[in-house]
Amino acid sequence: DVKVTQSSRYLVKRTGEKVFLECVQDMDHENMFWYRQDPGLGLRLIYFSYDVKMKEKGDIPEGYSVSREKKERFSLILESASTNQTSMYLCASSLPGTGGNEQFFGPGTRLTVL
Amino acid sequence: DQQVKQNSPSLSVQEGRISILNCDYTNSMFDYFLWYKKYPAEGPTFLISISSIKDKNEDGRFTVFLNKSAKHLSLHIVPSQPGDSAVYFCAASAYSNDYKLSFGAGTTVTVRA
Repeated sequence: DVKVTQSSRYLVKRTGEKVFLECVQDMDHENMFWYRQDPGLGLRLIYFSYDVKMKEKGDIPEGYSVSREKKERFSLILESASTNQTSMYLCASSLPGTGGNEQFFGPGTRLTVL
Repeated sequence: DQQVKQNSPSLSVQEGRISILNCDYTNSMFDYFLWYKKYPAEGPTFLISISSIKDKNEDGRFTVFLNKSAKHLSLHIVPSQPGDSAVYFCAASAYSNDYKLSFGAGTTVTVRA
């Protein structure tokens, strides 16, 4: 059964802390993505990667960075967490190519920043 | 500025009846459209997609209709079942944007027994 796994389902951090969210996929997908989901806003793309060591900014990259050292792993980093980064974070992966390729999502990490 | 809009935050439907979810978009460069379904505490799962060269795609109980001139698509679920109660997201992508997905805000569907 193919999977995208995320390191934590729930996380509580304090303002100013450095936060790491890990994502691992076992489908040998080239593409990986980080989104945040907020009520009334849907899913918004933070960063994505089309290959190892490659990263591109999405629509809302401010306050975030990413790392992709291995094909199966894509990490999202909050350098200094703030309360407005309280959200549901979703990782996804997909094959390269046409727009019809579906993205496979992990279960999400509910992050609360106090 | 959201390029994909789902103007109905929620929909309630009787079991066995048709559910119709609507989605509008503003970017004429979009050439693929997808619907995802999300249960609480789970990640979204792919449901059905349609290319811009088609106007209809059907998969079992799910049919997506695309009206390019109106920049509008809809998802029909017939018949609706209790397990269809979830949040449905409309998404779109464009070759010119490396096929990154733009998502709508979602519609919460509740199927009443």
